[in-house]
Amino acid sequence: EAAVTQSPRNKVTVTGGNVTLSCRQTNSHNYMYWYRQDTGHGLRLIHYSYGAGNLQIGDVPDGYKATRTTQEDFFLLLELASPSQTSLYFCASSDRAGNTLYFGEGSRLIVV
Amino acid sequence: GEQVEQLPSILRVQEGSSASINCTYENSASNYFPWYKQEPGENPKLIIDIRSNMERKQTQGLIVLLDKKAKRFSLHITDTQPGDSAMYFCAASARGGADRLTFGKGTQLIIQP
Repeated sequence: EAAVTQSPRNKVTVTGGNVTLSCRQTNSHNYMYWYRQDTGHGLRLIHYSYGAGNLQIGDVPDGYKATRTTQEDFFLLLELASPSQTSLYFCASSDRAGNTLYFGEGSRLIVV
Repeated sequence: GEQVEQLPSILRVQEGSSASINCTYENSASNYFPWYKQEPGENPKLIIDIRSNMERKQTQGLIVLLDKKAKRFSLHITDTQPGDSAMYFCAASARGGADRLTFGKGTQLIIQP
């Protein structure tokens, strides 16, 4: 099974703070994704990438930046964190022709 | 973009009975419909999927039905067990795979003894 590792697993920051969530996958998948999960909203796509240096905008991108530095690594950046960004963030990967999303363990972010 | 509606948001069923979750989508070009299960404190995992060239798919106590005309698809869990208690998400994509999935809001399935 694909291995997707996220860090940190838990983070508390203040409003206006700067946060970086990291994701690494070790299965040579080309596609990587960042989702946020909120009660009553399900999973919503923030940003995704088809490969190193590529970035695509998802459904809820406002307030987020992302960078795909290598095939393995995908970062989500919150440069001015707001309480509305308090959420559970999931990174996921899939191969080019694959159907399955492999999710990481999640990163819980609290913005106070 | 796509919109996926999922109902019910909470479903309680007796152990051993069947459970059904329904989803509708808007984009008639959507052609891939997976279902993910998320157990408490865990990440979502794919349990079954169906493509637009099929109307029914079954695997290990799970049945998925797709009605393209009505733009509706559903998950049916037969002979429910305590281990089926979880959050279930439906999703749809017009790109034929995991790329650009739109998820429903989820159904909390509770299996009562």
